[in-house]
Amino acid sequence: ETGVTQSPTHLIKTRGQQVTLRCSSQSGHNTVSWYQQALGQGPQFIFQYYREEENGRGNFPPRFSGLQFPNYSSELNVNALELDDSALYLCASSFIGAYEQFFGPGTRLTVL
Amino acid sequence: QKEVEQDPGPLSVPEGAIVSLNCTYSNSAFQYFMWYRQYSRKGPELLMYTYSSGNKEDGRFTAQVDKSSKYISLFIRDSQPSDSATYLCAMSASETSGSRLTFGEGTQLTVNP
Repeated sequence: ETGVTQSPTHLIKTRGQQVTLRCSSQSGHNTVSWYQQALGQGPQFIFQYYREEENGRGNFPPRFSGLQFPNYSSELNVNALELDDSALYLCASSFIGAYEQFFGPGTRLTVL
Repeated sequence: QKEVEQDPGPLSVPEGAIVSLNCTYSNSAFQYFMWYRQYSRKGPELLMYTYSSGNKEDGRFTAQVDKSSKYISLFIRDSQPSDSATYLCAMSASETSGSRLTFGEGTQLTVNP
């Protein structure tokens, strides 16, 4: 059984650019959540996807968007990057109805 | 004011010490309380899960929840150098999978041999 994987590991972008981060859920999991973790802070909930639909969103602007695919993999897209978007982006997968979320290792995004 | 407050430390203890980590929260709707451990360059992993008030023990780890005081704790007995990590408290108002977790900012712990 493979765990949650994320790609790329690291990414450097400049202000105003767009970025796509990818996540492969743990085998069989049907729900994926994305979190942003700034340096020295706890993760902050961005949104969750279930059955390819957004199923809850945190306090993030619309330039943060996502997709979930039929195989339960997911993408996080961020448009018009700002310096404050520099953070570790974590993906977590789970079964619907279960409390435990399994986190991937994250993608470290640096915006210059 | 943040919904969840956690002392960021850093906390440094000798091997074998008892470690106490704490969080306070303001949202009365929180019913599910978790502790995650995060090693450097890794994602968080779930250590302990508790529903409502009470204690839960798992090996060297004990989680306590006091909903009346809006206060949760994690105790680590006989701490080991391998326990050196950042400990994050997390809370949720719903048990359903994927419900948003609200995290504290994490406490960085170092256990010295």
